[in-house]
Amino acid sequence: KAGVTQTPRYLIKTRGQQVTLSCSPISGHRSVSWYQQTPGQGLQFLFEYFSETQRNKGNFPGRFSGRQFSNSRSEMNVSTLELGDSALYLCASSPDGTTNEKLFFGSGTQLSVL
Amino acid sequence: AQSVTQLDSHVSVSEGTPVLLRCNYSSSYSPSLFWYVQHPNKGLQLLLKYTSAATLVKGINGFEAEFKKSETSFHLTKPSAHMSDAAEYFCVVSDQAGGYNKLIFGAGTRLAVHP
Repeated sequence: KAGVTQTPRYLIKTRGQQVTLSCSPISGHRSVSWYQQTPGQGLQFLFEYFSETQRNKGNFPGRFSGRQFSNSRSEMNVSTLELGDSALYLCASSPDGTTNEKLFFGSGTQLSVL
Repeated sequence: AQSVTQLDSHVSVSEGTPVLLRCNYSSSYSPSLFWYVQHPNKGLQLLLKYTSAATLVKGINGFEAEFKKSETSFHLTKPSAHMSDAAEYFCVVSDQAGGYNKLIFGAGTRLAVHP
């Protein structure tokens, strides 16, 4: 069974641009979560989607958004990029996204904002 | 509010010696606690999880952790370190307020293993 796939692996953008990151969950998993990892703030929860609906959201500005498609694939979008958005963005999937469920993480997309 | 504190940002051990990575938690609920490991340029991998079934939890690669409610701790241990254990380790609590998987990560402990 293939793992969680994130594309692209690396991205370089400039301030003010927007970016879209993609995540394909493990086959059969319906919950997809996104996390941001930075040296200063560590790992922080962005949002979680289940059956195309956002169920949970972290404390990030509205420039960060996401969506989930009927095949459970998910995208996250960051508009009007700032230098501080440079980070490793990790996607995780699980069957149903319930509280104690194990998450399977992808290798992440490394975003650099210049 | 729930949180975790990893007491050491860096731990260095010699190969073959025991590993102890310390974690304290704060939770209003009966917590679900996890340890994840991240190798360089890799995603996170679950080592083990505690969900109140047993206080001593065994995980993969010889790691185990003991839940101590009186000390609000969930320390990770391994009897004998291997070079391949060098990585960053995260203690994690599940935020149960929303009912769904929202993980709160500690700041991480970087484990170095020397020959």
